[in-house]
Amino acid sequence: AQTVTQSQPEMSVQEAETVTLSCTYDTSESDYYLFWYKQPPSRQMILVIRQEAYKQQNATENRFSVNFQKAAKSFSLKISDSQLGDAAMYFCAYRSETPNAGGTSYGKLTFGQGTILTVHP
Amino acid sequence: GAVVSQHPSRVICKSGTSVKIECRSLDFQATTMFWYRQFPKQSLMLMATSNEGSKATYEQGVEKDKFLINHASLTLSTLTVTSAHPEDSSFYICSARDRGNLNYGYTFGSGTRLTVV
Repeated sequence: AQTVTQSQPEMSVQEAETVTLSCTYDTSESDYYLFWYKQPPSRQMILVIRQEAYKQQNATENRFSVNFQKAAKSFSLKISDSQLGDAAMYFCAYRSETPNAGGTSYGKLTFGQGTILTVHP
Repeated sequence: GAVVSQHPSRVICKSGTSVKIECRSLDFQATTMFWYRQFPKQSLMLMATSNEGSKATYEQGVEKDKFLINHASLTLSTLTVTSAHPEDSSFYICSARDRGNLNYGYTFGSGTRLTVV
């Protein structure tokens, strides 16, 4: 089974600074997606960024970018020019795209433990 | 963008009663709906996966007779917590996979806070 590990329960950053959230995962599959989701106090899950495993180029979405190291099974999120609205719980997630016998894991999202990000004005 | 409407947002029920939570995909067809449970400041735990017109697949340790999932159409899935007890109090979230955009991220509902008294 796949596992996702976020080793930083909490992180903080000053407004306008840059912060990096860590994520590692374990899998034997070659076809998968990785995601970062944001959950603000409203608890609405919001997709921040996604990465296809077959793509070597790191995904970017405005101030958000990832450092995807496939061999090391690492998928960190960098937030540049942090804003107060970035304060939230961030979840790293893995999605299998490899059909397996019984289809028990295909398409499922496996989440990390989450990292609470605080942004200081 | 894609929206999943989840209702109710909050519900308080008496122990022993049943509660139904609905998730509707408003502008897309949800080929698959996932149901999660989340405790405060913790991660999302997948409870079950449902495909339209099929029986739900439950994760290990989740009682299928207690958490009834119905996915009768491509736009509606429901989770019914039967004979609720205080330990069922939690935050429940659904997420839907867009039939027309299978490779994108899933769309989440806004969640339901269930309190059993």
